[in-house]
Amino acid sequence: AQKVTQAQTEISVVEKEDVTLDCVYETRDTTYYLFWYKQPPSGELVFLIRRNSFDEQNEISGRYSWNFQKSTSSFNFTITASQVVDSAVYFCALRGSGTYKYIFGTGTRLKVLA
Amino acid sequence: GAVVSQHPSRVICKSGTSVKIECRSLDFQATTMFWYRQFPKQSLMLMATSNEGSKATYEQGVEKDKFLINHASLTLSTLTVTSAHPEDSSFYICSASEGASWNSPLHFGNGTRLTVT
Repeated sequence: AQKVTQAQTEISVVEKEDVTLDCVYETRDTTYYLFWYKQPPSGELVFLIRRNSFDEQNEISGRYSWNFQKSTSSFNFTITASQVVDSAVYFCALRGSGTYKYIFGTGTRLKVLA
Repeated sequence: GAVVSQHPSRVICKSGTSVKIECRSLDFQATTMFWYRQFPKQSLMLMATSNEGSKATYEQGVEKDKFLINHASLTLSTLTVTSAHPEDSSFYICSASEGASWNSPLHFGNGTRLTVT
């Protein structure tokens, strides 16, 4: 079975603090994709990153960085110097081999306080 | 980039009426589209997979007679909530696959917030 766990339901930080959102996944597939999406209060899903299972290189994009570790089945997301505009629900998702289906985690609500 | 347009963004309807939600791929052909439902403060749950020209495949527990899906063309899929009730109030999001391969990018619409009074 495939599963995505985001243990942190809600996180509050003060602006300019760094924050890491955890994502742990389960799959028996050797080929799969992992994703992070941001869902602001308006509701739309904003794509942040896609990572395939063969690419364990960490990635940095501006204030965002992602740490993919197959050994621990984790794909954590760090926001550096958080801003109020980062306040949103963040979803981690898994897409297994040969399927279109996304398995979403339960999301982490991030509140960045001014 | 590829865009998926979902309409309407918000709809309020009376109990017992039906509501149709449209999902269009604007600059690509989508052989496969997906419909998700999201309850407040919860995750997205896949309701059904819609393939152009064929019947939709529903996930377990989703009533196909309640949530009618039609994928009449490569750029349009519709979800009709029939005889809506307050418990159908939710946020519905569609997504479309840009290519035929399983690892083709998926693009999400902006969602439809349905309120049934």
